[in-house]
Amino acid sequence: QKEVEQDPGPLSVPEGAIVSLNCTYSNSAFQYFMWYRQYSRKGPELLMYTYSSGNKEDGRFTAQVDKSSKYISLFIRDSQPSDSATYLCAMSVGNNDMRFGAGTRLTVKP
Amino acid sequence: GAVVSQHPSWVICKSGTSVKIECRSLDFQATTMFWYRQFPKQSLMLMATSNEGSKATYEQGVEKDKFLINHASLTLSTLTVTSAHPEDSSFYICSAIYSGRTYNEQFFGPGTRLTVL
Repeated sequence: QKEVEQDPGPLSVPEGAIVSLNCTYSNSAFQYFMWYRQYSRKGPELLMYTYSSGNKEDGRFTAQVDKSSKYISLFIRDSQPSDSATYLCAMSVGNNDMRFGAGTRLTVKP
Repeated sequence: GAVVSQHPSWVICKSGTSVKIECRSLDFQATTMFWYRQFPKQSLMLMATSNEGSKATYEQGVEKDKFLINHASLTLSTLTVTSAHPEDSSFYICSAIYSGRTYNEQFFGPGTRLTVL
């Protein structure tokens, strides 16, 4: 079993839809949870950074962490074509050893 | 702020040759730089962690004699793929952190696509 599982998609939604992206993990010691956005042929860009459980909101993006279920989510409201990218979840125990999901490819159609 | 660049953005080389990839932090001093490899539709895999002025720490399974890392200054790290073979073809991405930032707040470069013929 991989430490971090992420459905690679692809996921296609119409513009304006609410997008839900998810990752599950097996290591209960993970404390830090990140979401990165990666455009084609570009490096990842940090979107959201959360410590431990709970929700974090930033504009149209909301990150949720449920440590009891070992499940994290990223919600995108009012999705735009410019949100089309691959979204990677990542997590770490502390200040080392970050593990990435495989990434979910999202397409938002106008 | 916190921009990381890589050069070249893509390279094609013949099997058996060596390729050098540069990673630069443009507007900050990077205390630590990381090198990742990403195969199509797969996760980023950490190859090595490099601190300025010291030897890189390689992840298990990564050959340090094949992937030479030099972190000569606080703004530059280089990855040299020696005697490259087709199986080394991949997307190589570097990232960096600076003083005051945690390991988890890495700033990534745009990546270098290596194709070995």
